[in-house]
Amino acid sequence: AIQLTQSPSSLSASVGDRVTITCRASQGINTDLAWYQQKSGKPPSLLIYDASSLESGVPSRFSGSGSGTDFTLTISSLQPEDFATYYCQQYNNYPSFGGGTKVEIK
Amino acid sequence: QVQLQQSGPGLVKPSQTLSLTCGISGDSVSSDSAAWNWIRQSPSRGLEWLGRTYYRSKWYDEYALSVRSRITINADTSKNQFSLHLTSVTPEDTAVYFCAVDYGGFYYYAMYVWGQGTTVTVSS
Repeated sequence: AIQLTQSPSSLSASVGDRVTITCRASQGINTDLAWYQQKSGKPPSLLIYDASSLESGVPSRFSGSGSGTDFTLTISSLQPEDFATYYCQQYNNYPSFGGGTKVEIK
Repeated sequence: QVQLQQSGPGLVKPSQTLSLTCGISGDSVSSDSAAWNWIRQSPSRGLEWLGRTYYRSKWYDEYALSVRSRITINADTSKNQFSLHLTSVTPEDTAVYFCAVDYGGFYYYAMYVWGQGTTVTVSS
């Protein structure tokens, strides 16, 4: 099974900050990676697929990059509605998810 | 825009079968591009993909190794829905269960839309 390791597990940031979250796969997965945002009591919501493709309707301040084993999600200017938990998911093989990164208000 | 609506009990007794249903609007369970997934989330296990079913001239299903001996996912074309059945549950199966759709064809893909989630507690 492919393991995904996210870092950090949590971070504190201010509105307007640039935030970067990383996701490392235990083996190469090409660009078969998605990013989701989850708010309390809600299901995850798709942000990025194929490592860098922005899902329709998602603000352009979100971006993804990477291939192989190392991936990043970047929020260029953090907005109040972005405080949430973010997950990566690989679909190169049986789907699996990272442990999550909680973005909190500083 | 596809939407998924989950239903089913929130409390299941140990050793019994957990059964949840996901109703589909805006697409067909027999779509030749969609795959219908179940995923669960718990503090101890995080997000865990359980399996999926899809139709490509015939029905296919794929399951996670961790639950393969206990799980069945099947589709009901007359009601345009799909269901999860997990047998012999234990307290370890306590989680929030989600249904979700991907459009990867035969391949796994990103989960495009999710159901609202159902909290299932396994307890006597």
